[in-house]
Amino acid sequence: NAGVTQTPKFQVLKTGQSMTLQCAQDMNHNSMYWYRQDPGMGLRLIYYSASEGTTDKGEVPNGYNVSRLNKREFSLRLESAAPSQTSVYFCASKPGQGSLMDEQFFGPGTRLTVL
Amino acid sequence: EDQVTQSPEALRLQEGESSSLNCSYTVSGLRGLFWYRQDPGKGPEFLFTLYSAGEEKEKERLKATLTKKESFLHITAPKPEDSATYLCAVSRNAGNMLTFGGGTRLMVKP
Repeated sequence: NAGVTQTPKFQVLKTGQSMTLQCAQDMNHNSMYWYRQDPGMGLRLIYYSASEGTTDKGEVPNGYNVSRLNKREFSLRLESAAPSQTSVYFCASKPGQGSLMDEQFFGPGTRLTVL
Repeated sequence: EDQVTQSPEALRLQEGESSSLNCSYTVSGLRGLFWYRQDPGKGPEFLFTLYSAGEEKEKERLKATLTKKESFLHITAPKPEDSATYLCAVSRNAGNMLTFGGGTRLMVKP
């Protein structure tokens, strides 16, 4: 099992450009999450999908959109990138409803710089 | 609003010098408290989940404990390979989200 995979690993954008961060998990998990991690701010939740077909805003959703493409894949889109979106982005998943396991499992991250 | 505060922000230890990391939390209806380890340039790696006050869990040189207001991660006789940032997070009963603390960066010198 690869667990949670993310692409790309690194990306540099110019202000105003758009891009999509991809995330996939092979653990048959129901719930998936997107976080950003900034120095001094810790990990903050952007959006999550409790199950296939649903998405909800987290703590810092402005400037982002998400798509739960199927049970395996959850993408994060920046429509018009801004320097404030320079960060490390992590995708995570957990089994979700019906499971006794609450812990989330994280991918390796995407390091995004917006110039 | 849920709050998680970790202390200290950074901790330097000599190899073999035991210590504890603290995670204080304020949450309405705690469901679980989670500890993660994060190495530079990598994603957080799950360590422990604690659900109720008095609960303890161990893994190698690490032991996590939980009270109604805080959790401790005790590191016994640490080795240089224990150097990492340790993250604490909480979840609520009626929710799906984790709230993270800022982390403690642990450095163990040989």
